Amino acid sequence: NAGVTQTPKFQVLKTGQSMTLQCAQDMNHNSMYWYRQDPGMGLRLIYYSASEGTTDKGEVPNGYNVSRLNKREFSLRLESAAPSQTSVYFCASGGQGDEQYFGPGTRLTVT
Amino acid sequence: GQSLEQPSEVTAVEGAIVQINCTYQTSGFYGLSWYQQHDGGAPTFLSYNALDGLEETGRFSSFLSRSDSYGYLLLQELQMKDSASYFCAVRDHNTDKLIFGTGTRLQVFP
Repeated sequence: NAGVTQTPKFQVLKTGQSMTLQCAQDMNHNSMYWYRQDPGMGLRLIYYSASEGTTDKGEVPNGYNVSRLNKREFSLRLESAAPSQTSVYFCASGGQGDEQYFGPGTRLTVT
Repeated sequence: GQSLEQPSEVTAVEGAIVQINCTYQTSGFYGLSWYQQHDGGAPTFLSYNALDGLEETGRFSSFLSRSDSYGYLLLQELQMKDSASYFCAVRDHNTDKLIFGTGTRLQVFP
């Protein structure tokens, strides 16, 4: 039982490059989330998926797209990376109530 | 909308007790959650209060007062490993999404 896994752990991109962050959970949760975390800013929701086949924008969706590939997997895509997207990205899945389980994070630097 | 306020930093010594406060403004309220995050790590769920009162889980307790829109996390018998950031969170009534505070960094000194 791995919980929530994310790949890659670290990534450096040049401005304008694209990449996809992968996330998978093995807890049979319906809800999955993508957050970004910047110093002093807490966790901000980028996109959210309440169930397979549905996605919804969060607080900071601009510059990102998501795909809920199946119940287990929820990917985040940066089409044209910008330095403002330098951050730590966390994927999470939703358990009972407000309990969310987070992956280990992806540390992304855009130069 | 929703907003949460918590202190940015708290310091304490090993063995002491520390309280981290959280005040919130919401258009609707389900409950208050607390998460812990060590440097370089992922947030982990600590507790959830839907009703007024104190919930105790080992050395950690969480309190909620719905009438005051206020809650706190109480950490007792502090250990060095408790040095971490602590986030309170509420669910947005309109979007059903979790909104996190900006976090309180706790430093425990020997």
